[in-house]
Amino acid sequence: AQSVTQLGSHVSVSEGALVLLRCNYSSSVPPYLFWYVQYPNQGLQLLLKYTSAATLVKGINGFEAEFKKSETSFHLTKPSAHMSDAAEYFCAVAPPRYGGSQGNLIFGKGTKLSVKP
Amino acid sequence: NAGVTQTPKFQVLKTGQSMTLQCAQDMNHEYMSWYRQDPGMGLRLIHYSVGAGITDQGEVPNGYNVSRSTTEDFPLRLLSAAPSQTSVYFCASSFTGEGYTFGSGTRLTVV
Repeated sequence: AQSVTQLGSHVSVSEGALVLLRCNYSSSVPPYLFWYVQYPNQGLQLLLKYTSAATLVKGINGFEAEFKKSETSFHLTKPSAHMSDAAEYFCAVAPPRYGGSQGNLIFGKGTKLSVKP
Repeated sequence: NAGVTQTPKFQVLKTGQSMTLQCAQDMNHEYMSWYRQDPGMGLRLIHYSVGAGITDQGEVPNGYNVSRSTTEDFPLRLLSAAPSQTSVYFCASSFTGEGYTFGSGTRLTVV
């Protein structure tokens, strides 16, 4: 069975500081991994995804994540936080070719990012 | 190309009432799903469909029905609303193995 754990339900950083949002997964097979962002009163938007190609994945808005199999981690980072990054971030895991009988996307409980001026 | 469209955006129901949450996508995605989002719980899968005429249960299916008569539409029916169903509901669609596209959500309150 697959699961994902996001460490820290709330993270606060200053504008211009490094953003680090932690995600650890468990999976019996090499998984696909995703980060989504949710702005207030909106749906989820895909930030980036790992599908067993390059271990360092670059996404939108300057975010990137590194897949580390030895640590079963997929942490999300951004070198310099901007006020517009304030949102809730969700890590998700799925088996390859997910969807329906191949398994479904399993979400973490989310990390709310606050950015202080 | 509208993506995933959910209606209504807001709804208040009385306990015991029934209603249908609508979801439509115009990307010819074969896979569609319904999630509910509750504070501190992340997103939990209610029902999903891998194509027209095929549906299956997710993690929290009780109290909900779905059908998939066309590729485009995947309505979610609440049979007899309960306060525990107060939540934000998201519909999502994708090609198998690709990232999900989410709708903007339906905020449901059951009183």
